[in-house]
Amino acid sequence: QSALTQPASVSGSPGQSITISCTGTSSDVGSYNLVSWYQQHPGKAPKVMISEGTKRPSGVSDRFSGSKSGNTASLTISGLQAEDEADYYCCSYSGSSTLVFGGGTKLTVL
Amino acid sequence: QLQLQESGPGLVKPSETLSLTCTVSGGSISNSDYYWGWIRQSPGKGLEWIGSIFYSGSTYYNPSLKSRVTISVDTSKNQFSLKVASVTAADTALYYCTRHWATMITLGGFFDYWGQGALVTVSS
Repeated sequence: QSALTQPASVSGSPGQSITISCTGTSSDVGSYNLVSWYQQHPGKAPKVMISEGTKRPSGVSDRFSGSKSGNTASLTISGLQAEDEADYYCCSYSGSSTLVFGGGTKLTVL
Repeated sequence: QLQLQESGPGLVKPSETLSLTCTVSGGSISNSDYYWGWIRQSPGKGLEWIGSIFYSGSTYYNPSLKSRVTISVDTSKNQFSLKVASVTAADTALYYCTRHWATMITLGGFFDYWGQGALVTVSS
């Protein structure tokens, strides 16, 4: 069970859109629509932003959206705002009642 | 509003057992819609799922930690607990307890409520 692969960092200017990828295998991301995404600000607990690949929990801005193609899930943030600067983690079901996280991506708003 | 609070020693000696308890308030740990999970984050590093438990006592563990980890639940106290045996410096981390929604068929789902985290340092 290896960690999912995320880019170490991404950046964008206010108002732009950015996409964070989360690459797994046919045993995890590719086999299930069970990827969740978390936002973590420094010193804070993570907050779920996307569940089951594409669902936005109540209270999460519609600027956040999730998708999947093959073994790669993606989180897109549109209309980038300064408050979106944070670390982002993906998590996937990986079969046999186990879960695996990605290594995390640091988003910088320029 | 559901709240989770971790408690336990902040310093553990190498080779000893790390023990943490999570107290759930504002909701019942016996709610059959949810599991309860532990996730850790080493300093400056990413998140790692440790394991999850259902109120009935069914447990699910990260294969890489399974031999050293025990998660248990006490429904009478609305608490669940984590034990990690034979700790080393690599177990130094911020430990979060979480509420874990999962599908009826798999453990896949998401973590929607988190405690503030408990920092545990392994050092002699």
